[in-house]
Order: sequence, then structure tokens, then C-alpha cells
Amino acid sequence: NAGVTQTPKFRILKIGQSMTLQCAQDMNHNYMYWYRQDPGMGLKLIYYSVGAGITDKGEVPNGYNVSRSTTEDFPLRLELAAPSQTSVYFCASSTPDGEKLFFGSGTQLSVL
Amino acid sequence: GQSLEQPSEVTAVEGAIVQINCTYQTSGFYGLSWYQQHDGGAPTFLSYNGLDGLEETGRFSSFLSRSDSYGYLLLQELQMKDSASYFCAVKRGNFNKFYFGSGTKLNVKP
Repeated sequence: NAGVTQTPKFRILKIGQSMTLQCAQDMNHNYMYWYRQDPGMGLKLIYYSVGAGITDKGEVPNGYNVSRSTTEDFPLRLELAAPSQTSVYFCASSTPDGEKLFFGSGTQLSVL
Repeated sequence: GQSLEQPSEVTAVEGAIVQINCTYQTSGFYGLSWYQQHDGGAPTFLSYNGLDGLEETGRFSSFLSRSDSYGYLLLQELQMKDSASYFCAVKRGNFNKFYFGSGTKLNVKP
């Protein structure tokens, strides 16, 4: 099993550019999440999904959008990138009992 | 909303025991989790407490008191590889949403 796969691993954006962070899981988990982690800080929930076609906002959704067309994929879209979005982004999925999160390896994003 | 408090940094020596505390304030509490994160890595699951009491997994144990809104992670027989950041996270509501604390950096010294 590959688990949770994120691409790309690193990306540099210019202010105002847009991009999509890709996330895929092969564990058939219904629950998926996007978190961001600023240096020396905890993880902040951006968006989550309880299944294909169902998404909802987390703590810090502004400037981001998500979609969930399949169980496997949960892409995160950044529109009009800003320096405040410089962070490490983690995608995760959880077991059906909701007790364990599996994280991808992360995407380090810099907006300059 | 929710708030979680944990110490920012703890230092201990190899072979010792260390306890990392976490206090939380939240509505719709379902459970408390602990994750380990090495520098530059992704968080990895350590434990989950949905009920009061102690959960033991090898050298690691985790405790929850729902009435005190308090939990801790206990690491025994510390090894150098345990040097990492440790995060507590509350599970809120019935949609499996997890909210994380700011983390405790554990430094294990020889």
C-alpha cells in the first residue's frame, strides 16, 4: 500500500499565481483532510471531506478551495497565492472508526 | 472553537521517563490523539483515547481524563530516536475532525 500520496513535494509560486496540490489515498478511506503547518507550529485544518462530493471548511479555509469527485482523490486549490500561504501542507485520511490519521509526506510551498 | 495547551519544549536524558501534558477546551469532544513528528517529516500516529484511562503501546502510554479535560503522553526508556515534536489533537463532533495543539519539542540527551 502506498498510503497517502502528495504531489508536488516542493513548489515556489509568485504572488497572484494559482496551483493545485494533489492528494491521493489507496486505503478506501472516506474521511480526508488538508492541514497546513507553519514553522514551529501545530497543524491547522483547512478543509475536510467525509466522502465523495461532500466537503466542509476547517479552521483556516480562506484562500483555498477543494473538491472530492472520487474516494481516492482530494485536491487543494490555491487561488491568487499570497505570502501568508507559505507553509507546509499535509493531506491526511482517517480510518473508518475515526481514531487514526494517516498523513502524506507533505508539500513545502513558498510564495514569493 | 477549541484550544489545546501543551508545553513548548521538554528535555530529558536517555533511559529516563518523560510525561507531556495536554489540556484542552472544546465542544463536541470525542477523543484525544497523540502524534509524533520528526524534523522535516510527516506526523505519525501514536495513540488515541476515546474513554478515560490509560492506553499502553510498548514504551508509550497515553492517559485521558474527560472530566478534567486533560491528557498526557508518557514515554518510557527514552531513546535518542524519540527526539521529535509531539502533538496532542482533539477529535470533535461526529465527522472525525481533528484539531491539533502547537506541539511539544522533546530533546533527548545522552
